[in-house]
Amino acid sequence: AQSVTQPDIHITVSEGASLELRCNYSYGATPYLFWYVQSPGQGLQLLLKYFSGDTLVQGIKGFEAEFKRSQSSFNLRKPSVHWSDAAEYFCAVGARGQNFVFGPGTRLSVLP
Amino acid sequence: DTAVSQTPKYLVTQMGNDKSIKCEQNLGHDTMYWYKQDSKKFLKIMFSYNNKELIINETVPNRFSPKSPDKAHLNLHINSLELGDSAVYFCASGRPGEKNTEAFFGQGTRLTVV
Repeated sequence: AQSVTQPDIHITVSEGASLELRCNYSYGATPYLFWYVQSPGQGLQLLLKYFSGDTLVQGIKGFEAEFKRSQSSFNLRKPSVHWSDAAEYFCAVGARGQNFVFGPGTRLSVLP
Repeated sequence: DTAVSQTPKYLVTQMGNDKSIKCEQNLGHDTMYWYKQDSKKFLKIMFSYNNKELIINETVPNRFSPKSPDKAHLNLHINSLELGDSAVYFCASGRPGEKNTEAFFGQGTRLTVV
């Protein structure tokens, strides 16, 4: 069965600093990988996704993520964080015929 | 137009009551889901429906029942509500496993049982 771990429950960064959120998955074949963001009181919005091809994917709001098969990881990065990026971030995995499984989430706080 | 819409956004009710949350999607997806998000923000899948067939039920109490009148709707009915049912419930739709398709989420329904 698929599973997703996000080792960091809460991360705090200063505005303008770089960001990396970690995601590790467990799945026997090549998974479909996603990052979602949830702002306070809101639903989940897709940031980016990986299905195949180039292992570095670009998303909305200046985010990118890199798929590393050898490490079973799909870490999310942003070179310069904005105060509006403060939110909960979820990594998710899907596969053909399987439903989406979400990680526990990482809460991002941004210091002015 | 909102892709996945659910109503109501907030629901406060007493223990023992029966309530429903409605969900509609206009994306033409053939699979719809209900997720429960607890106070620690953990997202747990409750149900998924594919062409009116229930394909997953993740140890959810039988007080919870999904009802799908058609492909575009998946409503959640909850009987005999308990305090522990308080959470945010998200509806979503998608085509699991198909290329370039992710899950699209509604805005959530915050259920508070008092």
